[in-house]
Amino acid sequence: GESVGLHLPTLSVQEGDNSIINCAYSNSASDYFIWYKQESGKGPQFIIDIRSNMDKRQGQRVTVLLNKTVKHLSLQIAATQPGDSAVYFCAENIFSGTYKYIFGTGTRLKVLA
Amino acid sequence: DAMVIQNPRYQVTQFGKPVTLSCSQTLNHNVMYWYQQKSSQAPKLLFHYYDKDFNNEADTPDNFQSRRPNTSFCFLDIRSPGLGDAAMYLCATSRRGGGGHEQFFGPGTRLTVL
Repeated sequence: GESVGLHLPTLSVQEGDNSIINCAYSNSASDYFIWYKQESGKGPQFIIDIRSNMDKRQGQRVTVLLNKTVKHLSLQIAATQPGDSAVYFCAENIFSGTYKYIFGTGTRLKVLA
Repeated sequence: DAMVIQNPRYQVTQFGKPVTLSCSQTLNHNVMYWYQQKSSQAPKLLFHYYDKDFNNEADTPDNFQSRRPNTSFCFLDIRSPGLGDAAMYLCATSRRGGGGHEQFFGPGTRLTVL
């Protein structure tokens, strides 16, 4: 169902280290997933996507892993930089009469200098 | 550049005074979405249009309405804003609703209700 959260979980990472952000999704029939980055006062920005027929996809400095057995997604950011500080959301594409996207709770990433 | 544009970026209205937020796209996408996002929360889908077909979420209050006069434009009308409607309103588009089509977001409109 819809995610509702009053307090975003926070991940603090030292600059240069790798970050892993996790997301549990709700619908086993979801066939497409997107990771978004949202900076303060801005709209979500597409980072990387993955289809359900894959379990891993790599981009520039980012990797998304999909485990359909436990309905879990993760976003790995290599060599985290200060500019990576933001809130990260996963979104699943589901069919409920029509296709739509449902967002996960979100994780705030803080990069420590 | 093709994009999703939202106007205004900041909107202040009075309690109970109707307000309209606008969204336009140059992507020629079939689907346009409206989300409400409150502080430290995930975007919550209010409704979306697939071409001219309107799809309302079951828990979207009747106070929220939408219009899509053509492919490029979509409007969010809040008939009688309450203090609880203060939020960021995000418009997004996708080429199609399913089959794994990327969703593009606008910058959002921050609504303040006095």
